[in-house]
Amino acid sequence: ETGVTQTPRHLVMGMTNKKSLKCEQHLGHNAMYWYKQSAKKPLELMFVYNFKEQTENNSVPSRFSPECPNSSHLFLHLHTLQPEDSALYLCASSQATDTQYFGPGTRLTVL
Amino acid sequence: EDQVTQSPEALRLQEGESSSLNCSYTVSGLRGLFWYRQDPGKGPEFLFTLYSAGEEKEKERLKATLTKKESFLHITAPKPEDSATYLCAVWGTGKLIFGQGTTLQVKP
Repeated sequence: ETGVTQTPRHLVMGMTNKKSLKCEQHLGHNAMYWYKQSAKKPLELMFVYNFKEQTENNSVPSRFSPECPNSSHLFLHLHTLQPEDSALYLCASSQATDTQYFGPGTRLTVL
Repeated sequence: EDQVTQSPEALRLQEGESSSLNCSYTVSGLRGLFWYRQDPGKGPEFLFTLYSAGEEKEKERLKATLTKKESFLHITAPKPEDSATYLCAVWGTGKLIFGQGTTLQVKP
C-alpha cells in the first residue's frame, strides 16, 4: 500500500466503549498528526508527533489518548466519548513542516 | 493571530464557466500555503504548495497563485467531476491553519 492508510473507515460506539483508531504512513515521513473534522468547521488539529515524540496537544480532552510506537504508525485510543465527539477523524503525515498528506479518515459515530 | 479566510463559502457553476476561489491569510512569516481538494466523507487530497508571492502552479484545469495577502485558485472550464470542497491552509505558529473551505458544485 502507498500513502497514508486509516482503519477502520467507519466506527459506531457507545459512550462506555473503548476503541482505537489506527493510522499507517508509507511515505517515510517523520511527523504524524491527528485532526478532527466536524460539519461546517475547519479542520481542528488534535495531536502532533515528531520522530515519535508528542510535540503538540491542542487542548484535547483526556478521553482521547494518542500513541506513536514508531514513525510509521499512529493510534488514537478512545474511551467514554460523548455524542459531540462524532466526526471525521483524519490522520496526516509530513516531512518536517513540508506538505501534509492525509489518509481517508475514520467516520466516528458516538451513540 | 494567524488566520485563514476562504470565500465564497459555496459556489455553483455551469460546466465550462470559469471562476476563482479566494484564500486570504494573516500569518507571521509565510512558510507555505497549501491547497487541498476534499470529496464528501474522504480525506483532503493535496493539490498545490506555494511558498512566495508571485508564484503560480497549474494542474489540469486548476491554477493557484499567491500574493502577500491572499491566494487564488482559478478553475478554467470546470467539469462536474471538479465538484468538491477546496481547502486552503498556511503554516502558522507550529501548526497548519485551515480555512473553512469553498464548496464547489459544477452542473452539467
